[in-house]
Amino acid sequence: KNEVEQSPQNLTAQEGEFITINCSYSVGISALHWLQQHPGGGIVSLFMLSSGKKKHGRLIATINIQEKHSSLHITASHPRDSAVYICAVRSQATGTASKLTFGTGTRLQVTL
Amino acid sequence: GAGVSQSPRYKVAKRGQDVALRCDPISGHVSLFWYQQALGQGPEFLTYFQNEAQLDKSGLPSDRFFAERPEGSVSTLKIQRTQQEDSAVYLCASSPGTGGLGYTFGSGTRLTVV
Repeated sequence: KNEVEQSPQNLTAQEGEFITINCSYSVGISALHWLQQHPGGGIVSLFMLSSGKKKHGRLIATINIQEKHSSLHITASHPRDSAVYICAVRSQATGTASKLTFGTGTRLQVTL
Repeated sequence: GAGVSQSPRYKVAKRGQDVALRCDPISGHVSLFWYQQALGQGPEFLTYFQNEAQLDKSGLPSDRFFAERPEGSVSTLKIQRTQQEDSAVYLCASSPGTGGLGYTFGSGTRLTVV
């Protein structure tokens, strides 16, 4: 079982739809990152969370530490939101505290 | 520079060839990470530097993989005697401190071993 699991793996939505991507993890963490990766492109950090909720434009990220679960929401989705969205966690374990463990990503396609 | 720069963007190597991948982190960033991303998978940790010290190399898959950051800035990931299973995107990331804030990724080097 992977330490970080995302759902769904693939998601197709029509422009304007509200989108939710989920992330569950099995280890104690000090922080959780939501990342965006465009085809052939690099990875962009969207959010880093350790509690509560953050909002940036049409993106909202929430985390429930007790339930070991986080969600990324996109409101009023647009074709330019099409990308792979990756959840990554920073473990509380001793050692390399900053290294990230990644989920396998959610491939989002937003159509007109 | 403004971001993390990796070169080359693409590399095709014949099986058995040695390759060197370069990462130029954001100036002043203390932490530098290398990750390997196989097709359709999330990135997997390879190694971590704090300044010039390699503090964690637990993710390096074999002794054919070697990384260095001799002056605490530019880092090189070297793969000796490449094999087909080494084909992947190699991502470099840096952050200002050791706590994970300001994590910035490079665009990666796509290595194809033929």
